[in-house]
Amino acid sequence: DAGVIQSPRHEVTEMGQEVTLRCKPISGHNSLFWYRQTMMRGLELLIYFNNNVPIDDSGMPEDRFSAKMPNASFSTLKIQPSEPRDSAVYFCASTKTGGFTEAFFGQGTRLTVV
Amino acid sequence: DAKTTQPTSMDCAEGRAANLPCNHSTISGNEYVYWYRQIHSQGPQYIIHGLKNNETNEMASLIITEDRKSSTLILPHATLRDTAVYYCIVRSMNTGFQKLVFGTGTRLLVSP
Repeated sequence: DAGVIQSPRHEVTEMGQEVTLRCKPISGHNSLFWYRQTMMRGLELLIYFNNNVPIDDSGMPEDRFSAKMPNASFSTLKIQPSEPRDSAVYFCASTKTGGFTEAFFGQGTRLTVV
Repeated sequence: DAKTTQPTSMDCAEGRAANLPCNHSTISGNEYVYWYRQIHSQGPQYIIHGLKNNETNEMASLIITEDRKSSTLILPHATLRDTAVYYCIVRSMNTGFQKLVFGTGTRLLVSP
């Protein structure tokens, strides 16, 4: 398995533009997580899904952020409109649900909003 | 989930053992201790986990005190590639969902 795949690896966009980050979890994993990492706030959990259903989105900063998981092999995190303070590295992780399972992280998407 | 406390940073000489402490004094009986690390510019990577017994795998050893209020991650022979931020996480298994909440971690610098 290629692991958790995120795209793009780097994104530079202008303030006000829509940004879509993509994630392909490991096949067979049924839980998916989106994290944001900045120097100031560290690694923050934004939202997580189980069996394609959002379970907890309490970490989503505001209405400009939305996440979807239309099927078991794909998820998106969208920011509309983007702002400079959204600049961060966004990580996606997946795991199997139930008992102990380790979470596997993607390489992240470095977003810069100018 | 219980809160953890870790030192901000630690140094270790290459080839020596790195002992990374973690306090989790409010841990409850059904909560596990997990360790992840994040090497610069990469996503976090799982290292090891435990409930109350000491654990060892190919990467590290985990020593949990008898009262479970603290633990130590041991890298027996640290290498330069072990330079990373190490996160200690406590998480209950009751919900069935592995919700991982990261603290600030310990920045380990392994020097030649």
